[in-house]
Order: sequence, then C-alpha cells, then structure tokens
Amino acid sequence: EVQLVESGGGLVQPGGSLRLSCAASGFTVNTYYMNWVRQAPGKGLEWVSMIHTGGITYYADSLKGRFTISRDNSKNTVYLQMSSLRAEDTAVYYCARGDLLDWGLGTLVTVSS
Amino acid sequence: DIQMTQSPSAMSASVGDRVTITCRASQGISNSLAWFQQKPGKVPKRLIYAASSLQSGVPSRFSGSGSGTEFTLTISSLQPEDSATYYCLQHSGYPRTFGQGTKVEIK
Repeated sequence: EVQLVESGGGLVQPGGSLRLSCAASGFTVNTYYMNWVRQAPGKGLEWVSMIHTGGITYYADSLKGRFTISRDNSKNTVYLQMSSLRAEDTAVYYCARGDLLDWGLGTLVTVSS
Repeated sequence: DIQMTQSPSAMSASVGDRVTITCRASQGISNSLAWFQQKPGKVPKRLIYAASSLQSGVPSRFSGSGSGTEFTLTISSLQPEDSATYYCLQHSGYPRTFGQGTKVEIK
C-alpha cells in the first residue's frame, strides 16, 4: 500500500527556514517523480515543486529560488528545504506521487512573528 | 507558463442536475489534464486523468472531455456527496498549474 507521510511543519518567523520531509512506503521514491503542492488557508491548490526520477528539479516561478526539493533514496524520503519564508508561504504542504494520484495528509507551515 | 482558467468559480445546483465545469489552457496541452475533488478538511482526490480517463473507484457520473485548450468536467446527476471544490491541473509543461477551483454546492 502506498503511503506518504509529511512532517517538519510548524511555526517559523518571517525570514526563517524550515525543512519538510515526505517519508514514502509501498514504493521507492526514485522510481516516481515526486511533487510538493501547497494550499494556503481558504485558498486553492498551488503546485510548488517536483523532482524527476532522473533527479531534475522544477519549481513554481513564484518561489524565486527560495525552495529546494531533494530526495534521499536510502531513507526513501523526499524533502523540501524552504528559506527566506514569508507570511504568504503559510499553507498546508502536501507531498504527492507521480501525476498526483497519491497524496499525503499534509503538514502545516505557519510563517508569523 | 501555462495558465489555467477555470469557470465558474462557484455554483449551486440541485440533486439530479447535470453540472459542467470548464478549464481553458492558455496554450495547447494535448490531453495532459487531470481533475481533482476536494472536500473541506480533506486531501484532494484525483477523479479524471488524461482529460477523459476515469480514475478507478470514481463513480461513473463523473466524466471528462476535451483536448488542446478546452476541457470539461461533467457530473451527470449531482449527488449530495458531490458537494466539494473541484480543480483542474495541467501536467503538460513546467511549472504545473492548477485552475482556481470551482465550489459546487447543493441547493
């Protein structure tokens, strides 16, 4: 059974950094492209980033280099390193597999002083 | 970037009604489009992939159509449990982009 479990969310001050993790089970993360999608409170879905099976990475233009996606095959985990965080980055961050068939439950990131 | 324009943003319909939601892409995306349903406090669920293929386990009253720049999600006979927000997603190019969402309410 495919399972994705996000962790690492929490309260962070503006300008701070946070690393989110997505632990996968039931498949290996380097055989699927893996995505991060976020949803601000009361707002729609926003695609954030993807890491391809070959390791190529893609990002939403709005992130302007502040976020970095990576994976650790030995831990079967995908990460999202977020820096220079802003209030508008406050959202639930979801990890999703492939063409977004399988999703985790999400982890809440709150950027506030 | 490919922009996805979804309409309407919200709608109200009665049980049994036929409901249609549209997504327009700013450039051709072939059939690289998916539809998602999200209920309050829940994780999005993929209903349709490749524009018109029904995800396993999804009721047959849901259908998708279109290719190129115009796509449609149809609920043939609206049920109470279909009250949700629906999103389209293009996965033809990078960055991936979602439509703005359509909130469907039951009258």
